[in-house]
Amino acid sequence: EADIYQTPRYLVIGTGKKITLECSQTMGHDKMYWYQQDPGMELHLIHYSYGVNSTEKGDLSSESTVSRIRTEHFPLTLESARPSHTSQYLCASSAGSDTGELFFGEGSRLTVL
Amino acid sequence: GQNIDQPTEMTATEGAIVQINCTYQTSGFNGLFWYQQHAGEAPTFLSYNVLDGLEEKGRFSSFLSRSKGYSYLLLKELQMKDSASYLCAATDSNYQLIWGAGTKLIIKP
Repeated sequence: EADIYQTPRYLVIGTGKKITLECSQTMGHDKMYWYQQDPGMELHLIHYSYGVNSTEKGDLSSESTVSRIRTEHFPLTLESARPSHTSQYLCASSAGSDTGELFFGEGSRLTVL
Repeated sequence: GQNIDQPTEMTATEGAIVQINCTYQTSGFNGLFWYQQHAGEAPTFLSYNVLDGLEEKGRFSSFLSRSKGYSYLLLKELQMKDSASYLCAATDSNYQLIWGAGTKLIIKP
């Protein structure tokens, strides 16, 4: 059973607010990822990290930032939320192998009014 | 460009067999994953294929043909709990995952 946790599970905020979505895993995985998923659509990679102090941008990274100060923690920050950010955000982690399966958190569903 | 194609929706009957197809076009290829995602939940890993052929795991099997850029997921003895979306994802030359939009499988009694 995967041990990866996301908070908050649900969030409704107003336009322009700064928000941080939290993600923590207790499996000691080096690799962590943030994905955005809209209903019936594919997962889009926002950011990823291959270890402490390593972060890389994905396809949809321009309006968010991440940090990886500790192995187990990979928060995602939106500096100024917009209605277009309304979506499901999924955090995932994997072990060292490039072909390792991803373990996903339960997701954070964000609604921006 | 990189692309994954899979049917949007399929319907099958409880106890039957269903095959979900996936075709991929990627810059390089290092393997193909199948994930299951129930409505409102996170995806969970089902299978990983890197070599041609069929991998069987209980009621679920996954097939890969690298030369054809083609994979399928075969579900046998369907149960109501198998109603979910099934996501196909290919790894490119940089080991980045390219995801399909998922196939919503509806199981009818």
